[in-house]
Amino acid sequence: DTGVSQNPRHKITKRGQNVTFRCDPISEHNRLYWYRQTLGQGPEFLTYFQNEAQLEKSRLLSDRFSAERPKGSFSTLEIQRTEQGDSAMYLCASSPGVGSQYFGPGTRLTVT
Amino acid sequence: DAKTTQPTSMDCAEGRAANLPCNHSTISGNEYVYWYRQIHSQGPQYIIHGLKNNETNEMASLIITEDRKSSTLILPHATLRDTAVYYCIVRAARNAGGTSYGKLTFGQGTILTVHP
Repeated sequence: DTGVSQNPRHKITKRGQNVTFRCDPISEHNRLYWYRQTLGQGPEFLTYFQNEAQLEKSRLLSDRFSAERPKGSFSTLEIQRTEQGDSAMYLCASSPGVGSQYFGPGTRLTVT
Repeated sequence: DAKTTQPTSMDCAEGRAANLPCNHSTISGNEYVYWYRQIHSQGPQYIIHGLKNNETNEMASLIITEDRKSSTLILPHATLRDTAVYYCIVRAARNAGGTSYGKLTFGQGTILTVHP
């Protein structure tokens, strides 16, 4: 399968713990995006990378959130000191430049 | 990016055409219309996009009015697997400073239910 992959698909964690998600984009897509989606809402933009450079961050991305794309390939999204409000689906997408974005299946985070 | 307005929900009979409207009356000349759909518990799926002309691909057709203030996504022969939330998104390719845009701004979308 050559689509966007995300791991893990599901994560249950206790409040206060740190979690890290991984996204592997479509090969040769230089742009990678992170979105968050809560129940009943459309996805909300968090941040995006062009190659290894993080070009834009949403105000939703508090200081407990950090994203990296060290070699311009896969990306990680870390949430420190998780809160119940962080429970959501975290979606990753990639695109060839400003072209259409292709989404992965998402990682569903549940904070108990 | 311009705001879009879509009906909250629509129904369609299996095998019939599904016509999903979207209003984007404040669209600018450099803004594209994108359509994505999201089947329950999956990531959004790209369907089609256009600027001025009507577009067609293997999934759907996109009809954009001449004044570009509205558009319609057409699924020519809807199947049960087309039941999903459909999002109409307007996005500029580049901002006034020449920097290319990244994010997609999703609204609430239209819940399309295809009935047997």
